[in-house]
Amino acid sequence: NAGVTQTPKFQVLKTGQSMTLQCAQDMNHEYMSWYRQDPGMGLRLIHYSVGAGITDQGEVPNGYNVSRSTTEDFPLRLLSAAPSQTSVYFCASSYSEGSGNGYTFGSGTRLTVV
Amino acid sequence: AQKITQTQPGMFVQEKEAVTLDCTYDTSDPSYGLFWYKQPSSGEMIFLIYQGSYDQQNATEGRYSLNFQKARKSANLVISASQLGDSAMYFCAMRELWGSGTYKYIFGTGTRLKVLA
Repeated sequence: NAGVTQTPKFQVLKTGQSMTLQCAQDMNHEYMSWYRQDPGMGLRLIHYSVGAGITDQGEVPNGYNVSRSTTEDFPLRLLSAAPSQTSVYFCASSYSEGSGNGYTFGSGTRLTVV
Repeated sequence: AQKITQTQPGMFVQEKEAVTLDCTYDTSDPSYGLFWYKQPSSGEMIFLIYQGSYDQQNATEGRYSLNFQKARKSANLVISASQLGDSAMYFCAMRELWGSGTYKYIFGTGTRLKVLA
């Protein structure tokens, strides 16, 4: 089925470990973003990309890296996990920046850092 | 300052009645967009409705309508004839042009709606 695929769905990390959250979409969307969702804080933008090879920081980029080598894939890397990064992470994509079609979201990754 | 404000952490509505979820926003970008999303207890995010800043008429999508009052900078979601399946968290979001020349999407903190039988 077409959409945004996030893996893994659940992950437990130890403090200091690194990992990559995967995100792939098959809708040829140019615009992709990563958000984290924490209770009472809504969704906060971590990083986003307006196309292959172009990325930029969002509201809370510290501790995270991204790259966009292809239109389809937009992985999020945690460099050295900290308990403050315990959250639910969502990847989202849309056809273009100015689209009124809204985001298509992945199903989320629940990350716990101990 | 908050870009998107949802002042109602939780709301109750009786089944079959209408309910309004509030959203106010703040931006200096003249060409912005406003969105509403639904997040059921299963966790996925579902796009509901969109309003562009230049749209003259309020957006409607089935039982969802967006009460857009540009001068007041509000974009309230109205759900008519509420159903039990409407129980969920609802997020208001805004797309605006940032200094880097690209758009960013900012979300509010959400309103949890409970529909009562």
